[in-house]
Amino acid sequence: GAGVSQSPRYKVAKRGQDVALRCDPISGHVSLFWYQQALGQGPEFLTYFQNEAQLDKSGLPSDRFFAERPEGSVSTLKIQRTQQEDSAVYLCASSSGTPALGTQYFGPGTRLLVL
Amino acid sequence: GENVEQHPSTLSVQEGDSAVIKCTYSDSASNYFPWYKQELGKGPQLIIDIRSNVGEKKDQRIAVTLNKTAKHFSLHITETQPEDSAVYFCAASMGGYQKVTFGIGTKLQVIP
Repeated sequence: GAGVSQSPRYKVAKRGQDVALRCDPISGHVSLFWYQQALGQGPEFLTYFQNEAQLDKSGLPSDRFFAERPEGSVSTLKIQRTQQEDSAVYLCASSSGTPALGTQYFGPGTRLLVL
Repeated sequence: GENVEQHPSTLSVQEGDSAVIKCTYSDSASNYFPWYKQELGKGPQLIIDIRSNVGEKKDQRIAVTLNKTAKHFSLHITETQPEDSAVYFCAASMGGYQKVTFGIGTKLQVIP
């Protein structure tokens, strides 16, 4: 079956522009996560959704970052007024579990470059 | 919050040899420890995981061990092959909503 998909795969933005990154989780997966991966580093947690509810946004680095999942399926990560330090790979992962632990399946990521 | 340390950062082995990657975690509440393999341009892929009620788990050439007392866990790859070359991440989670904290990664190179 289809895995987690993300679009666009690559995005180049000028500093100050707004960007929107899309994640299509595996169908039926309740949990959805966004991670930020800087070059040469491990992924770092940004935010978590259970269905449409954003239960944890403690990892969002600033109020320029906003995520939504209005219908409990597709999610969008929006970055306003992009800065050079926002350049990274943004990974989306989905999982079928809620209270129980479940495997997180990652998408290929969106590589964002802010010039 | 949780802190996961991983070493070595790079590892080169001859094809057929074994590779070992070691990690430590800080929060004793962590109870789930996945390992991910990331190839260039791709997202992390789960290769094996272990839960805190188990000390060791094996899947073909891959094995993981967990020492809860010492807060150590390790990945062992035997009979390495060139296609094992990738970046490997250890991670820890406290369960619940499954937020995962990753290590910095180990770049494994298997030399034919």
